[in-house]
Parts: sequence; C-alpha cells; structure tokens
Amino acid sequence: RKEVEQDPGPFNVPEGATVAFNCTYSNSASQSFFWYRQDCRKEPKLLMSVYSSGNEDGRFTAQLNRASQYISLLIRDSKLSDSATYLCVVNTNAGKSTFGDGTTLTVKP
Amino acid sequence: DTGVSQDPRHKITKRGQNVTFRCDPISEHNRLYWYRQTLGQGPEFLTYFQNEAQLEKSRLLSDRFSAERPKGSFSTLEIQRTEQGDSAMYLCASSGRGNENSPLHFGNGTRLTVT
Repeated sequence: RKEVEQDPGPFNVPEGATVAFNCTYSNSASQSFFWYRQDCRKEPKLLMSVYSSGNEDGRFTAQLNRASQYISLLIRDSKLSDSATYLCVVNTNAGKSTFGDGTTLTVKP
Repeated sequence: DTGVSQDPRHKITKRGQNVTFRCDPISEHNRLYWYRQTLGQGPEFLTYFQNEAQLEKSRLLSDRFSAERPKGSFSTLEIQRTEQGDSAMYLCASSGRGNENSPLHFGNGTRLTVT
C-alpha cells in the first residue's frame, strides 16, 4: 500500500462546476499537509497548505481529518485554467515529503 | 529570481554510461531534496539533505545512485551504469530554514533518457 493515496481520476468537469479530490495517508505521525498543482511537463508548485481547522484560498478549500487520516481539496466555480494534476503531499516530523500519484482535472468549456 | 535551478535540462545517454546532475537550491534554504518522476506517477522520494548531512535515502534506490551536498549549498546526483529503467524526470527541491514543515520549491527538473 502506498503511503499517500489519491483518487485516480481523471476528472472531466464543465466550467463552473464544483469538484472535490480526496487523499488518504498511512503514517499517523505525519505533521503537515499540502496540495500541489502540476501542469503538463512542468514542475509541481505549491497550491496551498492544509491546516487542521480547514482553510480557504479563494475558490479553493482544503480540509484535514487527522482521525481518519484524510485530506480533501474542493474547487468551486472551476475555470479552464484549473486543468492540471493535483498532488497531495504529506510531511513527517523529520521534514520528509511524500507525494501521492496525483489526480488529473480537465475543465471543459 | 534566485529559484531552484537544475542542470542540465535534458540528458540523453547510452545504457551503461554514468551521468551527473546538479541542483542549486534557493540560497537561504537548508534542506534539499531529490525526487524522480515518471509519466502518470507522482514524484518519488530519492533522498534529502539538511545542510551537508544526508538525512535519508530511499530503500528503493540502488547502489548505482549517489547524491552529495559537500558544502551545504549545491547538490549533485550521480547515476552509475545507467539502465533504461532510469529514464525519468529528476526533480530537485529545497525548503526553508528553521521550519521542518516548510513547503518545497522545485526546480525545472532534468529529463533523463537512457537509450
């Protein structure tokens, strides 16, 4: 079993739709959590950190459930420019970052 | 802009040859990471450094792979006796000083093709 598992996707949604991605992690000692975005043939870039109380950044909302070892990302009012692969990332207390395999989103006009 | 830089961007080599990649992290960052990524997969952890100390190396990494960060600044990743299965994008990332949970900042990667 992988340390970080994500919905395999792909997700194909129309513009304006709301879409949610899920991620589970196996290491209960994990300390911090992130969502990264990766465009085709580009490097991953930080989208947002995920805080225990949940956090929002514009159209993006991240949630963390430590008891269930589950992280989510919600995108509201999807834009064409949101098309990308979304990577869930989990850090241990030693600072090592483990990535999921990503979920691919395609937003269509 | 003094982001993470990697060199070369692309490397084509024949099976059995040795290759070396370089990474220059963001100057104030003390942690440096190497990842490998193949199509359809997320970045796979290879190794990471805090300053010049190598803190962890993936058990999946064979003895053909070695990484150094001799002065706690730039790092090199060497692959000896390359195999076709080594073909991948090799990503370097760095993270900030004083916070073990800082997010990673990636370079553009080095794409390796082994023929």
